Amino acid sequence: QLQLQESGPGLVKPSETLSLTCTVSGGSISSSNYYWGWIRQPPGKGLEWIGSIYYSGTTYYNPSLKTRVTISVDTSKNQFSLKLSSVIAADTAVYHCARIYRSGREVDYWGQGTLVIVSS
Amino acid sequence: QSALTQPASVSGSPGQSITISCTGTSSDVGDYNFVSWYQQHLGKVPQLIIYDVYNRPSGVSNRFSGSKSGNTASLTISGLQAEDEADYYCSSYTSTSSWVFGGGTKLTVL
Repeated sequence: QLQLQESGPGLVKPSETLSLTCTVSGGSISSSNYYWGWIRQPPGKGLEWIGSIYYSGTTYYNPSLKTRVTISVDTSKNQFSLKLSSVIAADTAVYHCARIYRSGREVDYWGQGTLVIVSS
Repeated sequence: QSALTQPASVSGSPGQSITISCTGTSSDVGDYNFVSWYQQHLGKVPQLIIYDVYNRPSGVSNRFSGSKSGNTASLTISGLQAEDEADYYCSSYTSTSSWVFGGGTKLTVL
């Protein structure tokens, strides 16, 4: 059974960089059938796609976040990571990592999510 | 990119059918059949219930069905049950190789 687990600080100061890692178990991140992505959900609000990455390193970013987002992959560790720079209070959210099926572009597995609070 | 447009809330009585719309543009919903729907119960992780406009993953009830016409996709839930009360989100792939979600619809079972 595939599992995705987010890890990283739960509290980040304004203007600093949010960094999260997603560890994939029960499957290979190097599979050609999937993208790997980050999706966030501010408290009480809807879902927002942040970006996705293919095992080769090709990245796709939300245009509204593109200037602040970097997603990378480490196939040797079966992990992928998110960096969001210059964070503000509005970046406070539950951050989910996810597997996206390449054929239909749907998210078929979600991590449980990790709450990141931006506050001084 | 703008979020896909969904009604903020819908409601129905047990046994009834409801439909949730998801309106995008010719650059997302209208351009691809890569429309998916997710169900999110309070405090839980979203779960995929429809992909490729109308396909159901294994284990999802056939009371859930999807369709699309032009720039608008729809999710229909028939034979409403109390357990269907949740938030529902649509999503589409876009012509800029990105993904976009709808704002979400809260379903209340009366």
